[in-house]
Amino acid sequence: DGGITQSPKYLFRKEGQNVTLSCEQNLNHDAMYWYRQDPGQGLRLIYYSQIVNDFQKGDIAEGYSVSREKKESFPLTVTSAQKNPTAFYLCASSIARQGNSPLHFGNGTRLTVT
Amino acid sequence: GDSVTQMEGPVTLSEEAFLTINCTYTATGYPSLFWYVQYPGEGLQLLLKATKADDKGSNKGFEATYRKETTSFHLEKGSVQVSDSAVYFCAPFSGYALNFGKGTSLLVTP
Repeated sequence: DGGITQSPKYLFRKEGQNVTLSCEQNLNHDAMYWYRQDPGQGLRLIYYSQIVNDFQKGDIAEGYSVSREKKESFPLTVTSAQKNPTAFYLCASSIARQGNSPLHFGNGTRLTVT
Repeated sequence: GDSVTQMEGPVTLSEEAFLTINCTYTATGYPSLFWYVQYPGEGLQLLLKATKADDKGSNKGFEATYRKETTSFHLEKGSVQVSDSAVYFCAPFSGYALNFGKGTSLLVTP
């Protein structure tokens, strides 16, 4: 079955460490996205990529980095510069950057930094 | 900038009650509009969408009509079930990605 796989489901890190969240899709989608979800704040866009080897900052990119070396993969690194990294992270993909193309989401990674 | 306003939850209803979750937005032009649903511990699933004015999206008994005059996309269901308990997100397309509202939590009791 086609879909988006995020791993791991739960991740624990010590403050000051960088951590990378995995996102893989086998839907053959061009566009991929990372959102962050905090209680009561909905989803906020971190980074997005419309094509391989290209990505753009979203609304809250500070303290995060991404790469898009393969169409199927869009890993997100949460760096030590991110002031409040504990959150639920959601990866999504869509056919293309088209206004009527829905996003398909993974099941998320819950990151806890202590 | 673009913004989305959803009614605040939590909304608590008895089974078979009528549901309305309000959503209004500000955007440039006439964006496609989406409703997503999130069950506990999971990602978001597309519930329905509408791509132009007066379109009605529908799925699993849920409906929403694209009202350009009021820039609204209210979600409705005639008879909710316990299994509809979840968080619902309204999301207009905003230039390069979906712009999500804060979500409305729905609890349906037997």
